[in-house]
Amino acid sequence: AQSVTQLDSQVPVFEEAPVELRCNYSSSVSVYLFWYVQYPNQGLQLLLKYLSGSTLVKGINGFEAEFNKSQTSFHLRKPSVHISDTAEYFCAVRLMDSSYKMIFGSGTRLLVRP
Amino acid sequence: AAGVIQSPRHLIKEKRETATLKCYPIPRHDTVYWYQQGPGQDPQFLISFYEKMQSDKGSIPDRFSAQQFSDYHSELNMSSLELGDSALYFCASSPWTEQETQYFGPGTRLLVL
Repeated sequence: AQSVTQLDSQVPVFEEAPVELRCNYSSSVSVYLFWYVQYPNQGLQLLLKYLSGSTLVKGINGFEAEFNKSQTSFHLRKPSVHISDTAEYFCAVRLMDSSYKMIFGSGTRLLVRP
Repeated sequence: AAGVIQSPRHLIKEKRETATLKCYPIPRHDTVYWYQQGPGQDPQFLISFYEKMQSDKGSIPDRFSAQQFSDYHSELNMSSLELGDSALYFCASSPWTEQETQYFGPGTRLLVL
């Protein structure tokens, strides 16, 4: 069975500090990898995705993530966070087979403090 | 840019009532997905449609049904509502040329009393 693990349920960080949100996945088939952000009372917004090619992908709002196949990880990073980055971040995978569904991690709440 | 539209945005129902949620995908997107996000939980896949045919099925209760229409909009019909159905329901869409990526709507928040 496929699964996505986000070990940190909450990550508090001070404004302008760097942050890394961890994501590990388990799958018997190859996957596409995604990070979505959910602001309070809003929908899911695509931050970035890895489909193939360069393992370092850049997304919106200064975020980037690196795919590590050997460690089955796709950690999200930002060198300097802003108060406005406070939100719930979901890592997700989609199987490279006939399945259409996206499998989400449990989410990490990023709390940026002034 | 146009986004996925969901209506209504908020819905309050009583137990055992029925509800219909609507989703209008991004123009030229032919695949629609439905997800349920319970309070403090991650989104769970319910069902998807490609070209008006069901393409995949997840943890959708038998009390729920869905379909995609000729204009590609989709409706999720929920009957005999239970308190546990209270959740945020997301619709997502993707085009055939970018099937791997799903673009989510703002969600419909359903509260069952």
